[in-house]
Amino acid sequence: GQNIDQPTEMTATEGAIVQINCTYQTSGFNGLFWYQQHAGEAPTFLSYNVLDGLEEKGRFSSFLSRSKGYSYLLLKELQMKDSASYLCAVKDSNYQLIWGAGTKLIIKP
Amino acid sequence: DGGITQSPKYLFRKEGQNVTLSCEQNLNHDAMYWYRQDPGQGLRLIYYSQIVNDFQKGDIAEGYSVSREKKESFPLTVTSAQKNPTAFYLCASRGVGSETGELFFGEGSRLTVL
Repeated sequence: GQNIDQPTEMTATEGAIVQINCTYQTSGFNGLFWYQQHAGEAPTFLSYNVLDGLEEKGRFSSFLSRSKGYSYLLLKELQMKDSASYLCAVKDSNYQLIWGAGTKLIIKP
Repeated sequence: DGGITQSPKYLFRKEGQNVTLSCEQNLNHDAMYWYRQDPGQGLRLIYYSQIVNDFQKGDIAEGYSVSREKKESFPLTVTSAQKNPTAFYLCASRGVGSETGELFFGEGSRLTVL
């Protein structure tokens, strides 16, 4: 079967750095997405990785290792508004998205 | 501004009633999707459509129906056959030819069965 694993919940301090991991076992791989979702709201696109390595976009970076079936989202200089769920999704060989359950990130002052 | 509009935001239904959730987009996207989101689970695909007058079942289509008569619109009907319809429903669209294939989501509709 196809599976995406993320930690259920993480806590971090305002101003710090946090890394949210995502491991996947899917039938094929055609890219990995990270989305941010505030409670009761729509997910919004953060990043897309299809090749190995690090993609940096402001305070957020995303890393991919296809050989290890592993990605992480790195959030720097955490702000209270970063409190949200972070969803990892993989595009499989049929170009269908397989979604993880999401990681709820709690930021404390 | 371009975007996706879902309505209603909140909906209450009695058991045995059908309800229809609206999804309209003005992004000129060809592909549209309906997902269901439950606590502790990933998004699950209900139906998707890649072109007008055509749609495909997703992983959990039983008890749901859709139509795609116009490019802009992709309504979802939750029928009385859906055994556990209380959930958060998300509509999304994607532009064919997009480099990343990212989805754009509506604000969601929360359905509660009383």
